[in-house]
Amino acid sequence: AQSVTQLDSQVPVFEEAPVELRCNYSSSVSVYLFWYVQYPNQGLQLLLKYLSGSTLVKGINGFEAEFNKSQTSFHLRKPSVHISDTAEYFCAVISTGGKLIFGQGTELSVKP
Amino acid sequence: DAGVIQSPRHEVTEMGQEVTLRCKPISGHNSLFWYRQTMMRGLELLIYFNNNVPIDDSGMPEDRFSAKMPNASFSTLKIQPSEPRDSAVYFCASSPALLDEQYFGPGTRLTVT
Repeated sequence: AQSVTQLDSQVPVFEEAPVELRCNYSSSVSVYLFWYVQYPNQGLQLLLKYLSGSTLVKGINGFEAEFNKSQTSFHLRKPSVHISDTAEYFCAVISTGGKLIFGQGTELSVKP
Repeated sequence: DAGVIQSPRHEVTEMGQEVTLRCKPISGHNSLFWYRQTMMRGLELLIYFNNNVPIDDSGMPEDRFSAKMPNASFSTLKIQPSEPRDSAVYFCASSPALLDEQYFGPGTRLTVT
């Protein structure tokens, strides 16, 4: 069965600093991987996705993620964060049946 | 496109009452998903449909929960009778196909007192 583990529940960081949010997955089949962002009191919004091809995926708002098959990871990165990036971030994998399996989420808190 | 539309945005009801949550998916999307989000349990998939047919309802917590999709543009999630532990934010999402990215609605915040 597929699963997703987000290694950090909270990540505090200062504005303009780089950030990495870690995600590991387990899957015995081909994987489709996603990062979603949830701002307070809103629904989830897709940041980026990996379906196939280049392992470095660029998303919205300056975020990018790298698919690493050997380490079964899909870490999310941004070189310089803004206050407005404060939100909860979810990593997810799609199962063969079409279900999105989410990690527990990482709360990114950007401080001035 | 207006995106996924959910109503109501907020619902406060008393224990034992029936609650109906509504969702209008993005036009042309073939798959629809219902999720529940709480602090304790995170995001849980309750049920999903493909071409209006329920595919997997294993996440529905109890018989008190039921979901329907009578046509491609409308779905409901009903809780009868409601209980305080049902308090959560309920999200609807739709996608063009099953193995595709999902687009989430703004959610319905349900409070059962």
